[in-house]
Amino acid sequence: AQTVTQSQPEMSVQEAETVTLSCTYDTSENNYYLFWYKQPPSRQMILVIRQEAYKQQNATENRFSVNFQKAAKSFSLKISDSQLGDTAMYFCAFMKHSSNTGKLIFGQGTTLQVKP
Amino acid sequence: DTGVSQDPRHKITKRGQNVTFRCDPISEHNRLYWYRQTLGQGPEFLTYFQNEAQLEKSRLLSDRFSAERPKGSFSTLEIQRTEQGDSAMYLCASSRLEAHYGYTFGSGTRLTVV
Repeated sequence: AQTVTQSQPEMSVQEAETVTLSCTYDTSENNYYLFWYKQPPSRQMILVIRQEAYKQQNATENRFSVNFQKAAKSFSLKISDSQLGDTAMYFCAFMKHSSNTGKLIFGQGTTLQVKP
Repeated sequence: DTGVSQDPRHKITKRGQNVTFRCDPISEHNRLYWYRQTLGQGPEFLTYFQNEAQLEKSRLLSDRFSAERPKGSFSTLEIQRTEQGDSAMYLCASSRLEAHYGYTFGSGTRLTVV
């Protein structure tokens, strides 16, 4: 069974600075997808960034980038130039490439507070 | 694209009562998912529909839970004889067949069983 672990329950960062959220996962699969989702206080979850495991290049979306280390089964999220609107709970999630259902396995989440 | 809608946003019910939640996915999305999220935790998978067919159910979904998606459009999740342990946020999400591009989530239904 796949598991996703986020070891940082809470983090804080000053506005305009950079913060990195950690995620590790356990799987015997070779092909899979990894995601970071953001859940602001309004609680609607939004996709931030996704990574395909067979691609070595780290995904980037504007101020958000990942550091994907397949051998180490690590998938961290870096937020550059943090903004107050980045305050949210962040979830790392895993999906098997072979999944017929497209089911996501989520980590426990990291609450990020961006301070002015 | 009006997003994924869930109704109601909040529901308070007495233990033993039945409740039903509704989810309206994005119209062109074939896949529909229900997840449950307890406070401070990540969402846990409950069930999955592809069009009108329910193709997977989690062991978390006891006999008191039932879900439907008639005609492959909206979906309902019913909980019978609610228990305090059912208190949680129930999230609905939909996606295209290529689910690996990500889901669109609704705002959820917060259930409180008293």
